[in-house]
Parts: sequence; structure tokens; C-alpha cells
Amino acid sequence: NAGVTQTPKFQVLKTGQSMTLQCAQDMNHNSMYWYRQDPGMGLRLIYYSASEGTTDKGEVPNGYNVSRLNKREFSLRLESAAPSQTSVYFCASSGEGYQETQYFGPGTRLLVL
Amino acid sequence: AQSVAQPEDQVNVAEGNPLTVKCTYSVSGNPYLFWYVQYPNRGLQFLLKYITGDNLVKGSYGFEAEFNKSQTSFHLKKPSALVSDSALYFCAVRPNDYKLSFGAGTTVTVRA
Repeated sequence: NAGVTQTPKFQVLKTGQSMTLQCAQDMNHNSMYWYRQDPGMGLRLIYYSASEGTTDKGEVPNGYNVSRLNKREFSLRLESAAPSQTSVYFCASSGEGYQETQYFGPGTRLLVL
Repeated sequence: AQSVAQPEDQVNVAEGNPLTVKCTYSVSGNPYLFWYVQYPNRGLQFLLKYITGDNLVKGSYGFEAEFNKSQTSFHLKKPSALVSDSALYFCAVRPNDYKLSFGAGTTVTVRA
């Protein structure tokens, strides 16, 4: 039982390049999330998927797109990377219901030059 | 609007002493409250949560937190800190929707 897994662990991009961050969970959770973590700002929600087939914007969605590929997988895409997107990205998943705990992956460290 | 405040950027304690990490929140309705811990270069690990019921919540690794509705606080406590408790701690609040709002985090350093 791996929980939440993310690939890659680390990535360096040049401004304007694109990439997709992958996330998968094996806990049979309905809901999945993408956050970014920046120093002194905690974690901020980028997008979330309450259930398979649905996605919604979070607090900081600009410059990102997501795809809920199936119940297990939720990907985050940067179409044209900018230095402001340098951050650590975390994927999380939870069961259905607002009281459910979110469980986090190990993170992807992204550097945009 | 919802918000979470962790008023202390850093907390330093000696091993064996009590540890408190403060959190206050501002949210409409009845919130769900969470504490997470992050060790260097790792993801967030769940410690405990308050949903309803007893105001004192017990969690992992000997941590507990007290929900105080009148003071809108949810402080994390440990009676006797360990050096291995040194980490970054996040408080988070979730009203009746899917969005979990995090505080900025508090770095805890426990000296031997």
C-alpha cells in the first residue's frame, strides 16, 4: 500500500517549457487535490477533484490545468512554465466528505529558470 | 472568507519540556480542524483532527490539541517534547466544502 505517489521528484524547466506532474493513489479515495508550497505561505490549493469526472479551481489556478484520468490518477499540467511557478507541488487524496483527512504525497520540487 | 493564523514562525523548547504550537482560525460555520507535520524534504503527515465532540483531541506521536470555540483556537500540545519532534507544523481549517486552508507553518526546534 504505497498511499499517494508523485512523479517526478525533482524537475528543472526553462521558461516557456511545459510539463505534467503525475499523481496516483491506491486508497480508493474519491477526492484528489493539488497544492503548491512556498516559503512562509503554507500550502495553497491549485485545483481539486471531488470525484472522478469533476475538477474545480482552488485558490491559485492560473497557469495550470488538471486532468482526473480515472479514480486513481490526477495530473497537473503547466502549459508554459514561468519562474513564479518555482515551488514544491504536493498531491493529496481523501475519502468522500468534508471531515475526511487528506493524505499527501512526497512532493515534486520544480525549478523554472 | 476563511483563514488560519499561526502567530509564531518558530518555537524553541528543550527536550522533556512541554511543547505548544498555536493556531487560531476565522471561518463561518462549524469548522473541521487539522494538524499536520512536515519533516525536511518530505510530504505532510497527518497528526490529528477535530470534527465534533470532545474538545481535547489525541493524535499520533503523543500529540494532542484543544479546540476552544470561544477563542477560535486549536493549539497543538505535547507534554514532553523529543528532539525528533523538530519539524514544520501546519494547522489547517476546512469549513463545509472541499477547500482546506493552511496556516503559514511553525518551525519547531527541540534542543537536547
